[in-house]
Amino acid sequence: GAVVSQHPSWVICKSGTSVKIECRSLDFQATTMFWYRQFPKQSLMLMATSNEGSKATYEQGVEKDKFLINHASLTLSTLTVTSAHPEDSSFYICSASGDVGYGYTFGSGTRLTVV
Amino acid sequence: EDQVTQSPEALRLQEGESSSLNCSYTVSGLRGLFWYRQDPGKGPEFLFTLYSAGEEKEKERLKATLTKKESFLHITAPKPEDSATYLCAVQAKGGYQKVTFGTGTKLQVIP
Repeated sequence: GAVVSQHPSWVICKSGTSVKIECRSLDFQATTMFWYRQFPKQSLMLMATSNEGSKATYEQGVEKDKFLINHASLTLSTLTVTSAHPEDSSFYICSASGDVGYGYTFGSGTRLTVV
Repeated sequence: EDQVTQSPEALRLQEGESSSLNCSYTVSGLRGLFWYRQDPGKGPEFLFTLYSAGEEKEKERLKATLTKKESFLHITAPKPEDSATYLCAVQAKGGYQKVTFGTGTKLQVIP
């Protein structure tokens, strides 16, 4: 089955620094990956759609300059939270479409805490 | 705008007590409806994809059904390990692959 690996699983950073989160499709090629944010007891909110070799498509209200997305290859997308602030603390999850009919496979998520 | 509403918000069952979770949706042409299971601190785990009204899929103690307006996730004789949050999501037809999620049903199965 399709496997998506996400790293790191958790990270603590100081306010003002940047953090990079990686999302890899291990056994399939993903031309499109998705980045979500999830607050406690809330559902997944789509932040952006990452397209291999082109610019990401951001959802309304998501700051492009703050959440930098790079999809340099068919198996890797990265999300960089720039100049992080405590309000950026959240659970970030990526997903990609693998085999047809098997929906979207999610990574294990990254818990970001900005102190 | 696509919308997904799940009910109940939380459900507590005794082990062996069967029940159903509801997912009501509005979408401009359904491409697919997805059910996921999410454990605390982890990413969602894929369960089912349903494409058209009348379709049913089963996996162990879970059975998902679909109508034109809603989907049900039936849980038969649940066990404590079925405790999790169950998420429903829809994807509309068209070129954009956006998936819209509901807020989930948190299921707790008590031994």
